[in-house]
Amino acid sequence: SQTIHQWPATLVQPVGSPLSLECTVEGTSNPNLYWYRQAAGRGLQLLFYSVGIGQISSEVPQNLSASRPQDRQFILSSKKLLLSDSGFYLCAWSAPLLSHYEQYFGPGTRLTVT
Amino acid sequence: KNQVEQSPQSLIILEGKNCTLQCNYTVSPFSNLRWYKQDTGRGPVSLTIMTFSENTKSNGRYTATLDADTKQSSLHITASQLSDSASYICVVSSKDMRFGAGTRLTVKP
Repeated sequence: SQTIHQWPATLVQPVGSPLSLECTVEGTSNPNLYWYRQAAGRGLQLLFYSVGIGQISSEVPQNLSASRPQDRQFILSSKKLLLSDSGFYLCAWSAPLLSHYEQYFGPGTRLTVT
Repeated sequence: KNQVEQSPQSLIILEGKNCTLQCNYTVSPFSNLRWYKQDTGRGPVSLTIMTFSENTKSNGRYTATLDADTKQSSLHITASQLSDSASYICVVSSKDMRFGAGTRLTVKP
């Protein structure tokens, strides 16, 4: 069966510090991968998605970047965090060619920028 | 304006009662509609998924309906339990995915 992992689960970082959140998927090959942010009381906002290694699409211009160094690894990064980067970050995967059918979410990372 | 509107924003019910959550959308063209349950501090978990030709889908005590003509969906929860306390998110897929802001349900004993 497929599983998706995210770490860390929680993170408190000062403004201006770098960020690296990692997401890995097991039990599937060539998944579509997604990064979402969920602000308090708000809906999910798609940040990045990837259909393959090195292929990243950005949905919202911002202070963040994403990379996919391996087939089942997706990394969300920032060189300098802003207060507005605080939120709940979710990674998700879907089967290749079925991106609009079903997405499976990871447990999330709670980021607080102080 | 969000293309997926959910109501109510929050809801409190007593354990054992039924409730219905609403989702109205303007997304076009339509591919499918999903309802997710998200426990606090956790990732969303899929409850149901419906395509254009489906108007009802059940998953245990959860029943989702879809009226593609009026672009409305509902999620009905029967005999609520304390564990049903969560946010329920409606997601409509078109060329991309559009998320509702969710309904926060609290079930009290």
